[in-house]
Amino acid sequence: SQELEQSPQSLIVQEGKNLTINCTSSKTLYGLYWYKQKYGEGLIFLMMLQKGGEEKSHEKITAKLDEKKQQSSLHITASQPSHAGIYLCGADPSNNAGNMLTFGGGTRLMVKP
Amino acid sequence: DGGITQSPKYLFRKEGQNVTLSCEQNLNHDAMYWYRQDPGQGLRLIYYSQIVNDFQKGDIAEGYSVSREKKESFPLTVTSAQKNPTAFYLCASSSDRVAPYEQYFGPGTRLTVT
Repeated sequence: SQELEQSPQSLIVQEGKNLTINCTSSKTLYGLYWYKQKYGEGLIFLMMLQKGGEEKSHEKITAKLDEKKQQSSLHITASQPSHAGIYLCGADPSNNAGNMLTFGGGTRLMVKP
Repeated sequence: DGGITQSPKYLFRKEGQNVTLSCEQNLNHDAMYWYRQDPGQGLRLIYYSQIVNDFQKGDIAEGYSVSREKKESFPLTVTSAQKNPTAFYLCASSSDRVAPYEQYFGPGTRLTVT
């Protein structure tokens, strides 16, 4: 089965600093989804990457999928307290239109004002 | 507004009792999912359903049961056979017709069994 490893597991940054979260797979990623979760709440979809080398941005968050499609990174520029939460990557192990996602363990981000 | 609702948000039960968690969606999605999240961990798939009257076991189905009698509803029963039921439970749904096919999540139910 596909396993997703996220690093770091937790991160504390000063407001205004940039940061990067990584998601590494043991197998080819057919679809890579990034979600954000506030503590005790559901997940909010951020972005989905599918093609090797693909890069997408939303506001100050940029996600990339490497050419080999086994690693994705999420980069936040000029972090703000509103960016705090848990970031989870999820992958489609079978190219099956988003069903049956496998999730990484999450990265807990805290932003100090 | 379209979305997924889960109820209740917090649930307390005594050990040995079965409990049913509700999940309803009005997004007209065919697929629905149940995940379990433990503190500091990612999500693990319990059950999923891709169509009404059909469902499949996920990675950790033991001690859980589901039904899918209506497209909008996918209730999860945590039975007394589940050895460690205290957790945060998340329901999700997705469409395989509209890209990017992301899963939409409900707000979750925190179950505490003592």
